Amino acid sequence: NAGVTQTPKFQVLKTGQSMTLQCAQDMNHNSMYWYRQDPGMGLRLIYYSASEGTTDKGEVPNGYNVSRLNKREFSLRLESAAPSQTSVYFCASSREPPSSGNTIYFGEGSWLTVV
Amino acid sequence: DAKTTQPPSMDCAEGRAANLPCNHSTISGNEYVYWYRQIHSQGPQYIIHGLKNNETNEMASLIITEDRKSSTLILPHATLRDTAVYYCIVRVFYNFNKFYFGSGTKLNVKP
Repeated sequence: NAGVTQTPKFQVLKTGQSMTLQCAQDMNHNSMYWYRQDPGMGLRLIYYSASEGTTDKGEVPNGYNVSRLNKREFSLRLESAAPSQTSVYFCASSREPPSSGNTIYFGEGSWLTVV
Repeated sequence: DAKTTQPPSMDCAEGRAANLPCNHSTISGNEYVYWYRQIHSQGPQYIIHGLKNNETNEMASLIITEDRKSSTLILPHATLRDTAVYYCIVRVFYNFNKFYFGSGTKLNVKP
């Protein structure tokens, strides 16, 4: 009964390094999301994927790329990390269609520090 | 997109009811109101959602005004474990499944 699983949980990067955050869900959900949360602030949507093979930008996509590898997995890549990307990253998933009122489920977060 | 407005913080005595307000005056007719909470820096946790009618589950009650421009989340008997940031979110129905979080309300439950 894992739900949404994110790896790694903690990571320290140097400026300019690249890395990929991995996310997998076992609920057979169509849609997946990546959010970031800066200290003392609410979550902001980076990218989302409505279904396998599709991705779209959210509120703060600059500096990130995503891949919807299959229905279960949605990865977030930082090509050249910057200190401004120091944040907590949350992956989430939900089942659609929208009219159902279904909820969104979150992972436990990945703490990323860029020095 | 419908926006929400919540007070930044509230206090509640342990054992008393916590009433958390949310204003969503531009909500559309087929948009849902969702409530989530975030304890410390854990992943947000679903609490309850509604469209028009009041809703109740084992965690909380949701009261939506008749004009749907505001709602109130009620935790009937708050405990110290309910200390968290509570987010009121309006589902953006026509933009495919996006959830936009604001700053939420920090609820402090005090002994």
